[in-house]
Amino acid sequence: GENVEQHPSTLSVQEGDSAVIKCTYSDSASNYFPWYKQELGKRPQLIIDIRSNVGEKKDQRIAVTLNKTAKHFSLHITETQPEDSAVYFCAASKVGANSKLTFGKGITLSVRP
Amino acid sequence: DTEVTQTPKHLVMGMTNKKSLKCEQHMGHRAMYWYKQKAKKPPELMFVYSYEKLSINESVPSRFSPECPNSSLLNLHLHALQPEDSALYLCASSPGDRDNEKLFFGSGTQLSVL
Repeated sequence: GENVEQHPSTLSVQEGDSAVIKCTYSDSASNYFPWYKQELGKRPQLIIDIRSNVGEKKDQRIAVTLNKTAKHFSLHITETQPEDSAVYFCAASKVGANSKLTFGKGITLSVRP
Repeated sequence: DTEVTQTPKHLVMGMTNKKSLKCEQHMGHRAMYWYKQKAKKPPELMFVYSYEKLSINESVPSRFSPECPNSSLLNLHLHALQPEDSALYLCASSPGDRDNEKLFFGSGTQLSVL
């Protein structure tokens, strides 16, 4: 089955700096890669996703890049703000009915004011 | 309505109790999910319903019994749980066809088993 690795487990940045979170996956058949943000005590929320037919996708201050050859994808957050502090989970799955998301272990991002 | 609503938000139960968790969505989604999440861990898939039929059971113990009365509702019946079952139980939904991979999570039920 799929295995998604996420490193490091914690990341601390100064407000205004950029943050990059990386994930690797094992199943070359995976073709859908979402990122979820979970603030303390709240639900996981989909913040951006990418399919394997594109290499990069951007939405305001966040972007995701995908390298299919190396089987890794990254979340980029620019101009970080304290409200970006949360746990970020990457995941991978195959597109289609009954597709199952495999989550990484999560990374705790702290943005220092 | 773009939300998945879960009730109750908190639940404390003894090991001999029977309780139910409820989940509702009105986005017209045709797939619904139950996940279990321990503190500081990723969500773990338990069950998937697709078009009101159980399509995935991730070898969950029978003390957890899912039910999908209609396309908007999902229940999780709990009986004879163990303390290690204490966790956040998340419901999620997805469109069911195109973009079926996009999960929308509810806020969860924080369950404590004494």
